[in-house]
Amino acid sequence: EPEVTQTPSHQVTQMGQEVILRCVPISNHLYFYWYRQILGQKVEFLVSFYNNEISEKSEIFDDQFSVERPDGSNFTLKIRSTKLEDSAMYFCASSDFGTGLTGYTFGSGTRLTVV
Amino acid sequence: KNEVEQSPQNLTAQEGEFITINCSYSVGISALHWLQQHPGGGIVSLFMLSSGKKKHGRLIATINIQEKHSSLHITASHPRDSAVYICAVKGNTDKLIFGTGTRLQVFP
Repeated sequence: EPEVTQTPSHQVTQMGQEVILRCVPISNHLYFYWYRQILGQKVEFLVSFYNNEISEKSEIFDDQFSVERPDGSNFTLKIRSTKLEDSAMYFCASSDFGTGLTGYTFGSGTRLTVV
Repeated sequence: KNEVEQSPQNLTAQEGEFITINCSYSVGISALHWLQQHPGGGIVSLFMLSSGKKKHGRLIATINIQEKHSSLHITASHPRDSAVYICAVKGNTDKLIFGTGTRLQVFP
């Protein structure tokens, strides 16, 4: 079964450092997403991406965050200057809404710890 | 007030019991998802519903659009069903709005 692949599975970084979280969505999916889950809280939407541009973003997704699809297969989330409160599990997801309506597929997540 | 509410928050059961998890939402939706999250953190999609009922193995999901309510049922529960079950809704934009989840523990 097709998978969404996320790397790394766990990243520890110092406050103020830049991090890049990587995702390989399912190849025939057109819609890509990043979500995050702070420990003990519910999953929150960050950003959606379609046709090589951001289609929607949440209040959380401020100027410190950016997304990119650099080579047609990878989908990255960059946090420019990490803060302690960025510590969370970050999930990438992809879907084929609009073409097949088969729903979302989530990656297994990247646990980001900012120290 | 949360746009997606789940009940109960925690649920324990004996192996073999029939389990029901409920989800109510307050926004207009185009689809509702039931997801499973295991202790390692990964999220697996179980169902996507826009009307009626779906069944997959021992899992059944129903939705009542008029009442803005969905239920997830597990028949003949097993310890391997222990996980957090999450309801999430998709409105008329791309994003999913998540509930807080129901933590299920099934004991042998």
